[in-house]
Amino acid sequence: AQKITQTQPGMFVQEKEAVTLDCTYDTSDQSYGLFWYKQPSSGEMIFLIYQGSYDEQNATEGRYSLNFQKARKSANLVISASQLGDSAMYFCAMREGFLSNFGNEKLTFGTGTRLTIIP
Amino acid sequence: NAGVMQNPRHLVRRRGQEARLRCSPMKGHSHVYWYRQLPEEGLKFMVYLQKENIIDESGMPKERFSAEFPKEGPSILRIQQVVRGDSAAYFCASSTRGVGDTQYFGPGTRLTVL
Repeated sequence: AQKITQTQPGMFVQEKEAVTLDCTYDTSDQSYGLFWYKQPSSGEMIFLIYQGSYDEQNATEGRYSLNFQKARKSANLVISASQLGDSAMYFCAMREGFLSNFGNEKLTFGTGTRLTIIP
Repeated sequence: NAGVMQNPRHLVRRRGQEARLRCSPMKGHSHVYWYRQLPEEGLKFMVYLQKENIIDESGMPKERFSAEFPKEGPSILRIQQVVRGDSAAYFCASSTRGVGDTQYFGPGTRLTVL
């Protein structure tokens, strides 16, 4: 089974609209971390936002927020007031055994969503 | 504060040659991770190192690939006798204390095997 599932290969959104990128995950660990990264056409990986499994509040970073629904095992990224510069690939990633299993530091990535902002 | 640095950014090798990819972590970071990204795919974990120690190499191919993070100097990912299937983007990430810390990525090295 896929550990991280991103079901939207591509999305087109009008500039200034909000956009939600879906991410569901699969783990039996109680402690885990969820991350979103942005990869523009230039290729680098830019960290956007992080949510820990024990965090009671949804994470926010500027225009980015993470809609964390633990029971549904979903961690959707919400971008408010989208801009042309938001056009990029977006990857959801998870690290399991977050606090309890030292050494298990690897991130597991989804296949990504290509977001295109239309002027 | 300089970010994670990788060089070269682009590397072309012929089949059978060796490829050496370098990664200098962010200042203050002592944990390094290598990931590989095939075209149109997400990143796949390869190896996790601390200074002079390999902590987790569960994602490394059993042959031809090796990694090190010496006491002094950058981390090196070495691919011997490259084949066309090794063509990919190789990303290095670093973090401060490993457990529960965010990994920050370098710009990647694009390896092309002719």
